[in-house]
Amino acid sequence: GAGVSQTPSNKVTEKGKYVELRCDPISGHTALYWYRQSLGQGPEFLIYFQGTGAADDSGLPNDRFFAVRPEGSVSTLKIQRTERGDSAVYLCASSLSTTGEQYFGPGTRLTVT
Amino acid sequence: EDQVTQSPEALRLQEGESSSLNCSYTVSGLRGLFWYRQDPGKGPEFLFTLYSAGEEKEKERLKATLTKKESFLHITAPKPEDSATYLCAVQDIVNTGNQFYFGTGTSLTVIP
Repeated sequence: GAGVSQTPSNKVTEKGKYVELRCDPISGHTALYWYRQSLGQGPEFLIYFQGTGAADDSGLPNDRFFAVRPEGSVSTLKIQRTERGDSAVYLCASSLSTTGEQYFGPGTRLTVT
Repeated sequence: EDQVTQSPEALRLQEGESSSLNCSYTVSGLRGLFWYRQDPGKGPEFLFTLYSAGEEKEKERLKATLTKKESFLHITAPKPEDSATYLCAVQDIVNTGNQFYFGTGTSLTVIP
């Protein structure tokens, strides 16, 4: 079956601009996680959803970051007033439950110039 | 505070030369320990979940084991296609709800 998909695969934006990153999870997976991965590091937790609600957003670095999952499936990570330090690969993962293994998408590489 | 430390950072093996990767963790209560493989430019790919000390899981040339403080990923007679970064992650049942904490990974290179 189809895995987790993320669009775009690459995004280059100028400092100060707004960006949206999309995640399409595996069908039927109720849990959805967003991570950020910098070069040479492991994925860093940002936020997770159980269904439509953000169950834990404690990993979001500041209020420029926001994520939604309005219908309990597709999720969008939104970053306002981007900064060069936001440059990283943004990964999305989904799972059947919050205690099971996660299945990751290929990531979106965000570059802020 | 939950911590995950992986060693070594990088490992070069000759094809057929078996070795082990280490994942040390500190959690208040382990819900699960997860191993993933990550190829360059791709998302992590799930390998194993371990839940309790003494548990072992195997898949082809890989075997994961778990103690109360660490996990090992044993690679037997590796092939060049096993070259990747191996990540471990933990979920702490007590402190952090359903968050997953990842280590920084071990970059494995298998030379033909």
